[in-house]
Order: sequence, then structure tokens, then C-alpha cells
Amino acid sequence: SSELTQDPAVSVALGQTVRITCQGDSLRSYYASWYQQKPGQAPILVIYGENNRPSGIPDRFSGSSPGNTASLTITGAQAEDEADYYCNSRDSSGNHLIFGGGTKLTVL
Amino acid sequence: QVTLKESGPVLVKPTETLTLTCTVSGFSLSKPRMGVSWIRQSPGKALEWLAHIFSNDEKSYSTSLKRRLTISKDTSKSQVVLIMTNLDPVDTATYYCARIVDAYYYFMDVWGKGTTVTVCS
Repeated sequence: SSELTQDPAVSVALGQTVRITCQGDSLRSYYASWYQQKPGQAPILVIYGENNRPSGIPDRFSGSSPGNTASLTITGAQAEDEADYYCNSRDSSGNHLIFGGGTKLTVL
Repeated sequence: QVTLKESGPVLVKPTETLTLTCTVSGFSLSKPRMGVSWIRQSPGKALEWLAHIFSNDEKSYSTSLKRRLTISKDTSKSQVVLIMTNLDPVDTATYYCARIVDAYYYFMDVWGKGTTVTVCS
């Protein structure tokens, strides 16, 4: 399969924990990376590899990737975490990249 | 500090060819296991990966757009160029370039701000 599937929208109460998932066959072979995009801005990398955060990304962001599902977890969601989140990985051939359709996170 | 900046025309006519340039600073296009990706986003839509090129000149293209895309780099100028032929209004989008890192899995750790291209007659 050459697709990554994400839920279109997820909501979380302020301070609570939310998990955003990404499903695809290629995730059995390759780790996903996760990108946060706020309106009118370029995406930024928040998680890559097994569970790595770039410098400057708060430690409330974490990742996991069992089987064909990658997850981005925000523990103690903040208002500033409201954004679109995209997963990305190599496809099953390993030769191309694919993005999930994105998840719009609302912090209530 | 690593930065990337996209440049190119704002308005293109249908059937014309689009040439986009990504100028990088803070890293070399000859650095092993690194390269530049192009990604686009149509208004209100998801991100779409287009192509990437690595320091060893390894290239890869989106399967659906492969016939229309050409990616190249000029290491001495710190530039990566993406050419897209036969533009259509559906190609209207913000085009981003990003540094891509090959750690067996790939990730794009620094992105440009994007350049918006409108295809219209």
C-alpha cells in the first residue's frame, strides 16, 4: 500500500492527553515523522524516528510506532498545540515519500 | 543556522513550465545523507511530497507527477531547482522546500516559508 491514513479531526480538553494515529503498511518497515502546521505557516518537525524530538519541541510530544500504526501523543495538551498534524514516511517500495491526509487538532 | 528559501513566479499560465529555486544556507548540499525535498499544499488540502535529491545526486519523484518533474542541484550555488511542466490550475499551491535527512527512515527537519504559485490564464 502507498497510503497513510489519519483521522481528519481530533479534539482534546486543555491539559489532557491526546493521541493522533497514522496507519499504513509501509510503517511496518519505516518510521514515521510528524509535522505540526498552524494556519498560514510552514510545517515544523515535531517527532522523527523511534521517538526523537528536534531541539525546541516540548517534551509533552512523543511518538510510538508498533506494527502498521504510528502515533503522536501530546501529554497535557496546551492551547498552542491546536494545529494540523501530518505523518510522513517512505512508501512500501522505499523509493518515495508519502504524507497522511492530516489531522486537525482542536484544544477545547 | 540552517535556512531554506523558495523563489519563483507568483503567476503562471496553463500549459507553461514552472521553475522553482530553493536556496539553502547553513549547510552544504554535498553533506552526506542530506538533501532537499519539495512539497506542495493546495489551498485547504494536505501536504503532498513532490521530489527529493540527495548529496550523492540520488533523486526520487512522486509517482503521479514523475513525468512532469525534474529536480537538480547546483552545490556551488547552494541551490536546488524543481521544474514542473504543463501547468494546470490544479497545480495552484504553496510550494515548500525542506532539508531531508536520510537516517534509513527519512525526515524533513527544516522547512522554508513556502512560495505561492497560482496557475491562471
